[in-house]
Amino acid sequence: KAGVTQTPRYLIKTRGQQVTLSCSPISGHRSVSWYQQTPGQGLQFLFEYFSETQRNKGNFPGRFSGRQFSNSRSEMNVSTLELGDSALYLCASSLDGDWADTQYFGPGTRLTVL
Amino acid sequence: AQSVTQLDSHVSVSEGTPVLLRCNYSSSYSPSLFWYVQHPNKGLQLLLKYTSAATLVKGINGFEAEFKKSETSFHLTKPSAHMSDAAEYFCVVSDRGNYQLIWGAGTKLIIKP
Repeated sequence: KAGVTQTPRYLIKTRGQQVTLSCSPISGHRSVSWYQQTPGQGLQFLFEYFSETQRNKGNFPGRFSGRQFSNSRSEMNVSTLELGDSALYLCASSLDGDWADTQYFGPGTRLTVL
Repeated sequence: AQSVTQLDSHVSVSEGTPVLLRCNYSSSYSPSLFWYVQHPNKGLQLLLKYTSAATLVKGINGFEAEFKKSETSFHLTKPSAHMSDAAEYFCVVSDRGNYQLIWGAGTKLIIKP
């Protein structure tokens, strides 16, 4: 089975621009979660989607948004980029996001904002 | 609310000696607990997980962890460190009903030759 894939792997943007990151979960997985990883803040939860519905959201401003498609693929969007948005963005998939589910992570998208 | 505390930001051991990475959690429910590892420039990989079955959980690469409810701890151990174990390790608790994982700050494991 193919693992979680994320595209692109690297992105360089300038302040004020917007960006869209993509995540393809493991086949059969219906839950997709997004995380931001930075050296100072560690891993922070952005949001979780299941069957095209956002079930939970972390403490991020409204500039961060996401969606999930009927095939479980997910995208996240960041508008009006700020320097502080530079981070590794990780996507994880699991069967149904249940509390005992294992989340499988993609390699991440490294976003640099100049 | 659930929370996770990894008691050491860095742990340094010599190759061939035991490894102990400490994790305490707080949870209102019977939690699911996980240890993930992240090697430099690599993705996160599950080492092991506890989900209310056996309290001693065995994972990959010789790691194991013991769930101790009375101490609210889930420490990760390995009898003999190998150079390839050098990485960052994360203790994670699952927030039941909230569909999110709560992450510890991570412990960087350094292996001295």
